[in-house]
Amino acid sequence: KNEVEQSPQNLTAQEGEFITINCSYSVGISALHWLQQHPGGGIVSLFMLSSGKKKHGRLIATINIQEKHSSLHITASHPRDSAVYICAVARGSQGNLIFGKGTKLSVKP
Amino acid sequence: NAGVTQTPKFRVLKTGQSMTLLCAQDMNHEYMYWYRQDPGMGLRLIHYSVGEGTTAKGEVPDGYNVSRLKKQNFLLGLESAAPSQTSVYFCASRPGDRDTEAFFGQGTRLTVV
Repeated sequence: KNEVEQSPQNLTAQEGEFITINCSYSVGISALHWLQQHPGGGIVSLFMLSSGKKKHGRLIATINIQEKHSSLHITASHPRDSAVYICAVARGSQGNLIFGKGTKLSVKP
Repeated sequence: NAGVTQTPKFRVLKTGQSMTLLCAQDMNHEYMYWYRQDPGMGLRLIHYSVGEGTTAKGEVPDGYNVSRLKKQNFLLGLESAAPSQTSVYFCASRPGDRDTEAFFGQGTRLTVV
């Protein structure tokens, strides 16, 4: 079983919809990261959180440490949000990251 | 501010050839990493460095070597390329604390034929 599981693997939405991507992990962590990767592009950090909730624009990330679960929400989705969203957890004394396989999001106009 | 820069961006190698991928960061970060990304899999750690002159093995180190002679540069070498090393390679850097944001390069698409 992978240490970091994301769901769904693929997601198609209509512009304006509220989107939720889930991440579950099975190991002890010090922090959880959400990353975004556009087609053919690099990887950009969206959030790093170890408790509670963070918001940046239309993106919201939450984490429940007891349940070992995090969610990434996108409000009022837009075609430019189409990308792969990657969850990664930090563990160990140096905080090395373990990555999920990603969720491919496609937002249709 | 360039951030993390990888060179080259694309490369095709023949089996058995060698090459070096260069990662350069201008943020004075202590930690640097090399990952590979393959279809249907999450990024996997090849090697990493927690400071100038240090390197350590990650999850999939076989067939690769690294060097960190200068703090800003982290080199990934393939001594004898194999088709199994066809992948997209990403470099990343972080400040020298455990829980800090990671900054990634744009990736290098390597094909070994």
